[in-house]
Parts: sequence; C-alpha cells; structure tokens
Amino acid sequence: GEDVEQSLFLSVREGDSSVINCTYTDSSSTYLYWYKQEPGAGLQLLTYIFSNMDMKQDQRLTVLLNKKDKHLSLRIADTQTGDSAIYFCAARSNTGKLIFGQGTTLQVKP
Amino acid sequence: KAGVTQTPRYLIKTRGQQVTLSCSPISGHRSVSWYQQTPGQGLQFLFEYFSETQRNKGNFPGRFSGRQFSNSRSEMNVSTLELGDSALYLCASSLGTSNEQFFGPGTRLTVL
Repeated sequence: GEDVEQSLFLSVREGDSSVINCTYTDSSSTYLYWYKQEPGAGLQLLTYIFSNMDMKQDQRLTVLLNKKDKHLSLRIADTQTGDSAIYFCAARSNTGKLIFGQGTTLQVKP
Repeated sequence: KAGVTQTPRYLIKTRGQQVTLSCSPISGHRSVSWYQQTPGQGLQFLFEYFSETQRNKGNFPGRFSGRQFSNSRSEMNVSTLELGDSALYLCASSLGTSNEQFFGPGTRLTVL
C-alpha cells in the first residue's frame, strides 16, 4: 500500500544544520513534498522535488532524493528558532492522492 | 494573491448533528482537496474535486461528503457527527490535480 514514514522528533541547537528524513513505499510517486506546520496553523509548502531529480536547493533548504531506496531528506542550514515546527513529508501516489507522513517535530534550542 | 480561505475557523457541535465546512481556493485554482488531521491518525486524505467532479476519495465512511461549485469553491459535509470526528479539517487548492497544493488555515471541529 501507499505509506510514508518519518521520525517523530528532532532537536538541534540554533545555528546547526537539521536533517529530517522520510521514506515512502510507492515507487511510482511522481512528486515529493515538504510542508511546515506551525502551532494552530495550516500547512505551508516549503519545497518539492520531482522524482527524476536527485537534489534541489532553495536558499537554506536542500532536498535529497534517493529514488532507489525511496528515501527523501530535508536539510535546513543555519537552523533558527523560527524553524521550530512540525515538518511533513508527502508523496503524490499514482492514484493522484497526496499521502503524508506522521510529521517530525523540530525543536530548535537557543 | 489571496490564499486559501476556510470558514468557519472554529466550530463546536454535539453528537448526531451535521456540519458543513467551506473552502475558497486561490483564484484560478480548479482543484480542491480535503484532509482530516488528528493527533492519533495524522493527516488523512478525504477527497479531491476538480471542475465540480470528485476525482479521488479516501477511506472515510459515507457520512463524509463534499461538493465543488462552478467558481471552484468547495464544501464538505459531515452528517451524524461522532466524537471521533473532532479534528482539524484542512482544505488545499492547486491549479490542477498534479500540481503542488496550497493549504488553508483549517477549521477546528470539536464534537461534544
């Protein structure tokens, strides 16, 4: 079936890099997304990568995709306290549905 | 450009009642998807509409229904509410069914 898995929690110090990992099961996933959710808010699209790409960089964000292992990661450089939030990985399945992981809570300590 | 708007933002209902939630997509977007977010189940896909037609449906009972109007605005309805329906209901819009989705702030439904 279609499934997306993430670790639940990550704690880093301000200024360090954060790496959030995600695995998915549907090898036919075409697009993979990273969303950020702050308390009481909806989901904010951070970045996405097409399945024929290995890497995408957007300012402090770097997405790496290993299609063979069905592994996706989001690296946040120079993590700030404002980056504290829940980060969701999502894969667009071959049925067109967007399947989300459970979310990774990122805690940034000053 | 205005983002996705959802109304109401908060709602309190009692078991057995029914509720209608509304979503206005970003101007020009024709696809609207609905998700339920709970602490236990995470984010679960409810359904997706494109040009007034339901394109995809998640694994929810028939008490959950939706529709889309000609101006792309969408409503979802939950009948015979149960305590377990308490959740944050998120709406997302996109240009088409394959494009990135932009989410609204959600409607927080509490069923007592």
